[in-house]
Amino acid sequence: NAGVTQTPKFRILKIGQSMTLQCAQDMNHNYMYWYRQDPGMGLKLIYYSVGAGITDKGEVPNGYNVSRSTTEDFPLRLELAAPSQTSVYFCASSYLGDRGHSPLHFGNGTRLTVT
Amino acid sequence: QKEVEQNSGPLSVPEGAIASLNCTYSDRGSQSFFWYRQYSGKSPELIMFIYSNGDKEDGRFTAQLNKASQYVSLLIRDSQPSDSATYLCAVKGPGGGSARQLTFGSGTQLTVLP
Repeated sequence: NAGVTQTPKFRILKIGQSMTLQCAQDMNHNYMYWYRQDPGMGLKLIYYSVGAGITDKGEVPNGYNVSRSTTEDFPLRLELAAPSQTSVYFCASSYLGDRGHSPLHFGNGTRLTVT
Repeated sequence: QKEVEQNSGPLSVPEGAIASLNCTYSDRGSQSFFWYRQYSGKSPELIMFIYSNGDKEDGRFTAQLNKASQYVSLLIRDSQPSDSATYLCAVKGPGGGSARQLTFGSGTQLTVLP
């Protein structure tokens, strides 16, 4: 049982490049989330999903896209990377989502630098 | 716009002392409150959650909630150097959709001195 797996761990992008951050969970959780964490700051919700085929915007969705074709996978796409997207990205999943108090299970994060 | 405020610290306490971490929130309708611990360079992990006014204890940790004052706190008794981390307060709102998702504070950095 691996939990939430994120790849890659580190990435450096040039301005204008694109990339996909991968996230997979093997806990059969319906709810999945993408957060970003800037230095000294809390986590900001980018996108979330309540199940396969269903996604919704969070607090800071601009510049990002997501898809959820399976329960297990929730990739985050960055188009036209900008320096403002330099951050640590965390994927998370939970069992009950907004209907309960189940904890978020976080992946180990992807540290992205855009130069 | 929901806001969750925490003192950024750093907060330093000697080993064995009580560490007190505080959090205020702006949305009076918020329903659930969470404390996550994040070690440097690591991902957050849940310590406790609370949704009723009063105290909730789990081992050395006590969460306190006062909805009238829109205030939630975390007390760590008998603090250990291994408790040195950033503590994130997170609040779940009352609405639907993204409003029901967690809003995180910026965290309080705690250092427990041996």
